[in-house]
Amino acid sequence: QVQLVQSGPEVKKPGASVKVSCRASGYTFTDYYIHWVRRTPGQGLEWMGWINPDTGGTNYAQNFQDWVLMTRDTSFSTAYMELNRLKSDDTAVYYCARIGRGKYFFEYWGQGTLVTVSS
Amino acid sequence: QSALTQPRSVSGSPGQSVTVSCTATSSDVRGYDYVSWYLHHPGKAPKLMIYDVNKRPSGVPDRFSGSKSGNTASLTISGLQADDEADYYCFSYVGDSYWVFGGGTKLTVL
Repeated sequence: QVQLVQSGPEVKKPGASVKVSCRASGYTFTDYYIHWVRRTPGQGLEWMGWINPDTGGTNYAQNFQDWVLMTRDTSFSTAYMELNRLKSDDTAVYYCARIGRGKYFFEYWGQGTLVTVSS
Repeated sequence: QSALTQPRSVSGSPGQSVTVSCTATSSDVRGYDYVSWYLHHPGKAPKLMIYDVNKRPSGVPDRFSGSKSGNTASLTISGLQADDEADYYCFSYVGDSYWVFGGGTKLTVL
């Protein structure tokens, strides 16, 4: 069955970077885009962008364009989301999720990764 | 920038019906049939309740329904139950490979 398994919780200081991983199984990794979504206490759910695992192409939401980097390693069927220059406002649970081909809603979600930014 | 506006909170008593609205500031919702709704308990993965405006995934009770009129999409929950208490988010494709969430609505079952 399709599974998206994310890396564990992180604690970072302001100004640092964090890299969250999302390992896919149960389907051909390169066939479906991986999206990243976060849930912050103040902003609710925010769509951050997607990566095409086949080509490595990306598309970032305007709010994240200057400080997020989405990559993938097809050898490990894993997508990564790196956020730079962290602020306390970036404290959130980060999710990876998959939208089905030709569809416009999330079919599968990772379990979420809590990133805490604190001095 | 595209935005979807939801009420911050709604409430209802068990057995009643509530409706959560999702209003687009531009053409995000109007003209598109790709609005979906998610139930979210913080700390858990969001759960798909409605997709493509009014389709219900298998396993979601028929107490949940979706609709759209003009630039407003709506999620209606009838026969409210205590378990329905959660945050609800609308989500829409806005074109050019961009998507956006609404601000979220906290549903309280009184």
